[in-house]
Amino acid sequence: DAGVIQSPRHEVTEMGQEVTLRCKPISGHDYLFWYRQTMMRGLELLIYFNNNVPIDDSGMPEDRFSAKMPNASFSTLKIQPSEPRDSAVYFCASRQGPLGNTIYFGEGSWLTVV
Amino acid sequence: AQSVTQLGSHVSVSEGALVLLRCNYSSSVPPYLFWYVQYPNQGLQLLLKYTSAATLVKGINGFEAEFKKSETSFHLTKPSAHMSDAAEYFCAVSDQRGYQKVTFGIGTKLQVIP
Repeated sequence: DAGVIQSPRHEVTEMGQEVTLRCKPISGHDYLFWYRQTMMRGLELLIYFNNNVPIDDSGMPEDRFSAKMPNASFSTLKIQPSEPRDSAVYFCASRQGPLGNTIYFGEGSWLTVV
Repeated sequence: AQSVTQLGSHVSVSEGALVLLRCNYSSSVPPYLFWYVQYPNQGLQLLLKYTSAATLVKGINGFEAEFKKSETSFHLTKPSAHMSDAAEYFCAVSDQRGYQKVTFGIGTKLQVIP
């Protein structure tokens, strides 16, 4: 079975540009999570969805960040405008059902803002 | 609020030696606890999890962890380290009330010395 698929794997962009990260969760999974990983702060939960509905976006750092999930098989995380401090690895992850079940992570999108 | 503390951001062991990675958690209610592993340039993958069944949990690749409520700990062990175990290991916690967030620790990088 295909795992969580993220694109792009690597992105280098200039400060001020819009960045869109994409995610396809595992088919049948009803929870989708966006995490950000940095050396300084580790792995932070940005937002999560349940059945395509955003449930908790309290981890989104500021209004420049937005996320959508228009259907069960696709989600985007957008940064507009991007800043150098947004440079990080962004992971999408999905899970089927209850809390104790396994979260499956994508391979990450490595973002560098110069 | 739930949290985990991983003691030691870097741990070095000799090949064949015992691996011990420490994790202490904080949760106001009985927790779910997880250990994930991240290999270079990859996403996180589940090693093992505790969901209130047996306190000694066995995972993949010969790893195991023991839930100790009295010590609020969930340390990860492996009797004999292999070179392929070199990776970053993350402890994570979530409570069982239905709160869907999983909070990750800062991670411990394991180095295996030949």
